[in-house]
Amino acid sequence: KAGVTQTPRYLIKTRGQQVTLSCSPISGHRSVSWYQQTPGQGLQFLFEYFSETQRNKGNFPGRFSGRQFSNSRSEMNVSTLELGDSALYLCASSLHGVREETQYFGPGTRLLVL
Amino acid sequence: AQTVTQSQPEMSVQEAETVTLSCTYDTSESDYYLFWYKQPPSRQMILVIRQEAYKQQNATENRFSVNFQKAAKSFSLKISDSQLGDAAMYFCACRYNNNDMRFGAGTRLTVKP
Repeated sequence: KAGVTQTPRYLIKTRGQQVTLSCSPISGHRSVSWYQQTPGQGLQFLFEYFSETQRNKGNFPGRFSGRQFSNSRSEMNVSTLELGDSALYLCASSLHGVREETQYFGPGTRLLVL
Repeated sequence: AQTVTQSQPEMSVQEAETVTLSCTYDTSESDYYLFWYKQPPSRQMILVIRQEAYKQQNATENRFSVNFQKAAKSFSLKISDSQLGDAAMYFCACRYNNNDMRFGAGTRLTVKP
């Protein structure tokens, strides 16, 4: 089975712009979670989608949003980019998104905001 | 507050030796799941081992084992017979009742040949 894929792998944007990141989960997985990883804050949970519905949300401003499609692919959008949004954005998929399941991570999208 | 703490930013181990990475967490819940993830340089994060809080027996996966002390809220990872490929950032994580997943700050493990 193919693993979790994320596109693009690298992205450079300027302040004020908006960006969309994509995540394709492992085939058959219906839960997709997004995380932000920075040297200062570490790994922080953004949100989780299951069957096209946002099921859980972390403590991030409304500029961060996401969605999930019927094929379980997910996109994350950040509007009005700030310098502090520079980070590695990871997505992870699991079968049902229940607590005991292993999450499989993608390689991440590295976003640099100038 | 639900927090996960890794007090060792960096650790070093000689090849073939044993090393233990520490992790403590804070929760008022009785049922949760604990994980250790490994993130090699520029590579994807992968699961090393996991532990169900309701199980008293410590989880083991080949050279990796945990010391789970529920009362102390401690979840350390022991790597035996360390190999060069074990060099990575190791993250401890806890998944709570509301499916919230919290990670520690990570421990960078260096393996010396």
